[in-house]
Amino acid sequence: SAVISQKPSRDICQRGTSLTIQCQVDSQVTMMFWYRQQPGQSLTLIATANQGSEATYESGFVIDKFPISRPNLTFSTLTVSNMSPEDSSIYLCSVGQGDTEAFFGQGTRLTVV
Amino acid sequence: GENVEQHPSTLSVQEGDSAVIKCTYSDSASNYFPWYKQELGKRPQLIIDIRSNVGEKKDQRIAVTLNKTAKHFSLHITETQPEDSAVYFCASKTNTGNQFYFGTGTSLTVIP
Repeated sequence: SAVISQKPSRDICQRGTSLTIQCQVDSQVTMMFWYRQQPGQSLTLIATANQGSEATYESGFVIDKFPISRPNLTFSTLTVSNMSPEDSSIYLCSVGQGDTEAFFGQGTRLTVV
Repeated sequence: GENVEQHPSTLSVQEGDSAVIKCTYSDSASNYFPWYKQELGKRPQLIIDIRSNVGEKKDQRIAVTLNKTAKHFSLHITETQPEDSAVYFCASKTNTGNQFYFGTGTSLTVIP
């Protein structure tokens, strides 16, 4: 199983600012994903972080708002840009290796004030 | 794309009773079906999974069944305990895609 370290675990940010969330895995993984989970809701995929190329975004999410980096097979960042209170949520990174389960980071609880 | 539906959204059971959560999927190419448990303030964690070449899998008090023809799969928890209280998510994945599709979650409360 993969061990995923995600930070920060929580943050309170002013509207209009940006926050970068980091996800570090203890082994090389093929797939890394970023999810948003609003209170009491399911997991919504934001994008797939691709190593060496631009991330693949799901409908409703754009690169300008959620830029993603994936410099190598063990690390990725998600930035939430120009934040508004509607961006308040839990953000989770997840990794997958081939045809196996998804492992999740501990999540980042973001509050925008 | 795949559409995973999950029912019920909330479930309360008395300690010792059984709990059943059901999911349906739409993509016949889906072949891997994990179930995740998410306790309050924690990350989702895998509790059991099943692949499409198997109809049922059991791990102690937890079992999952899969009906490929009907495109539905279910989680069964027997002899429930208060520590089973959490939100449970089903998910599906195809053998060609990389993405997991999650159900909307079931909030299970086990009443002591």
